[in-house]
Amino acid sequence: QQQVKQSPQSLIVQKGGISIINCAYENTAFDYFPWYQQFPGKGPALLIAIRPDVSEKKEGRFTISFNKSAKQFSLHIMDSQPGDSATYFCAAFGGNAGGTSYGKLTFGQGTILTVHP
Amino acid sequence: NAGVTQTPKFQVLKTGQSMTLQCAQDMNHEYMSWYRQDPGMGLRLIHYSVGAGITDQGEVPNGYNVSRSTTEDFPLRLLSAAPSQTSVYFCASARYGTSTDTQYFGPGTRLTVL
Repeated sequence: QQQVKQSPQSLIVQKGGISIINCAYENTAFDYFPWYQQFPGKGPALLIAIRPDVSEKKEGRFTISFNKSAKQFSLHIMDSQPGDSATYFCAAFGGNAGGTSYGKLTFGQGTILTVHP
Repeated sequence: NAGVTQTPKFQVLKTGQSMTLQCAQDMNHEYMSWYRQDPGMGLRLIHYSVGAGITDQGEVPNGYNVSRSTTEDFPLRLLSAAPSQTSVYFCASARYGTSTDTQYFGPGTRLTVL
């Protein structure tokens, strides 16, 4: 059962364009939503994260938009650069105490982003 | 401060062989975990630990064992390797494992089971 669904699987953007990656979740007990960035041959690294009590969080060119009622959140990369080319994972943390997702990160399937110069 | 280190980087096993993937962290983190990464599946939690002597199962624990005798080390054992265990394995650590604690990932071990 995939509790966090991510789309698209791959994304090609021109330099300077906007990259948008979407995620949807099922468990309403999730209470923290991080995004991870992974370069080839490396482990994932935290990029930006949001709590469900805010609708948007911005850090530099990266913005998370969060829609609690729709159980959806998305990552927007403004002015995309070739150096942003990487795999991006959304994730969700938390859940009901004693439930299957408590205290654990559940990841989406990943999006391979390619930014052409 | 090396962060999270994993050895080996690459490993090829034959079906039925056993081996241990090593993970160490020097940040004095209480929480450590193991994930496997497969194409189109994202990262899936195998086992995790909230402190020395305490371990618990994640989403895909079958075929793997863990123990946590020290704060620094969290080895993952494959008891009898199967081709389905061909994957990239990541170890991660966090201060306590609560939601806002950043999880730091190691560089990964790429395992192939023939």
